[in-house]
Amino acid sequence: GENVEQHPSTLSVQEGDSAVIKCTYSDSASNYFPWYKQELGKRPQLIIDIRSNVGEKKDQRIAVTLNKTAKHFSLHITETQPEDSAVYFCAARKGPFYGGATNKLIFGTGTLLAVQP
Amino acid sequence: NAGVMQNPRHLVRRRGQEARLRCSPMKGHSHVYWYRQLPEEGLKFMVYLQKENIIDESGMPKERFSAEFPKEGPSILRIQQVVRGDSAAYFCASSPPRQTNEQFFGPGTRLTVL
Repeated sequence: GENVEQHPSTLSVQEGDSAVIKCTYSDSASNYFPWYKQELGKRPQLIIDIRSNVGEKKDQRIAVTLNKTAKHFSLHITETQPEDSAVYFCAARKGPFYGGATNKLIFGTGTLLAVQP
Repeated sequence: NAGVMQNPRHLVRRRGQEARLRCSPMKGHSHVYWYRQLPEEGLKFMVYLQKENIIDESGMPKERFSAEFPKEGPSILRIQQVVRGDSAAYFCASSPPRQTNEQFFGPGTRLTVL
């Protein structure tokens, strides 16, 4: 079945250091991989996403890499700041153009990132 | 352009009562998704709807849960005869037609069953 595993479950870094969160997906038909940031009591907000035809995408201090062969994708945050502290969720989805698929997102279990000032 | 709206934000029900959660998608969005988040867990897909159609309900419990997205008005997630295990945050997301990659989430409804 469809499954996304996410590691680590908690991550504590010093301000200015880098943080890396890794996810593995099971369904090789997955072709869209978003990352969401959720602050306590708030809605999940998309911070970056990547499609399966791209190996890497960067947006300022945030980057995502995708290894389709290994079915891994990772979130990299550089120069972390206290306001980066939140729970981060990865997700995977089979595209709407892959026969019979729907748009549902399969989420990982989340990583609580704490950036220590 | 207002974001995804959900109401109520907090809902308290006693066991056996009914809970109705409403979601108004972003303007121009015709796809709606419901996800459930149990305390300290990730989001679990429940149902995907387009106007007047249920596209995928593979994540919905077989009993007591139903969802609709009528031609006019918000999408409704209905939970009948609630039990304590239904206590969770219920998030709605929406996406526009033809551009279905990004899903925009609402603020959620936090359901507490006493």
